[in-house]
Amino acid sequence: NAGVTQTPKFRVLKTGQSMTLLCAQDMNHEYMYWYRQDPGMGLRLIHYSVGEGTTAKGEVPDGYNVSRLKKQNFLLGLESAAPSQTSVYFCASSYPSGGHYNEQFFGPGTRLTVL
Amino acid sequence: AQSVTQLGSHVSVSEGALVLLRCNYSSSVPPYLFWYVQYPNQGLQLLLKYTTGATLVKGINGFEAEFKKSETSFHLTKPSAHMSDAAEYFCAVSPYSGNTPLVFGKGTRLSVIA
Repeated sequence: NAGVTQTPKFRVLKTGQSMTLLCAQDMNHEYMYWYRQDPGMGLRLIHYSVGEGTTAKGEVPDGYNVSRLKKQNFLLGLESAAPSQTSVYFCASSYPSGGHYNEQFFGPGTRLTVL
Repeated sequence: AQSVTQLGSHVSVSEGALVLLRCNYSSSVPPYLFWYVQYPNQGLQLLLKYTTGATLVKGINGFEAEFKKSETSFHLTKPSAHMSDAAEYFCAVSPYSGNTPLVFGKGTRLSVIA
């Protein structure tokens, strides 16, 4: 199993450009998440999904959109990139908890720089 | 709402010394607790987790953590630090209902000095 994969690994954008980050998982997990990681800020949840066709906002959703058209994929879009969106982006997935724990499996990250 | 506080953004220990990374949480219901480790330029990987049962949890690479409900703590320890333990460590909490995404602490960077 590849686990959680992210594409691309690195990207440089100019202010105002748009892009899509792709997350794929082969563990048949129901839940998927997008986080951003900035120095001193820890991990902050952007959006998440509890199933195909459903998405929800996290802590810092502004400036991002997501889609979950297929169970195994979770896309993060930047409509009009801003320098404040320079960050490392992590995708994660987990299986349904149903009252149980919610262990997340993480991808390797995408390093995005917005100039 | 749940929250996690990790005391000390940076901890430095000598090789062979005890590692103690502190984590306190707030939760209105019995939580599930996790420690993750992040090596440079990598994603997070699970070190250990507490769900129910025994409050002393053993994880990978010789780490363990103890859930203390009365202190709302879940501190991470390792008896003897190795150079390879240098990394960033994140504590996370999930309420018992489990359907809420994990809430992460801000992380503690561990340095190991030879």
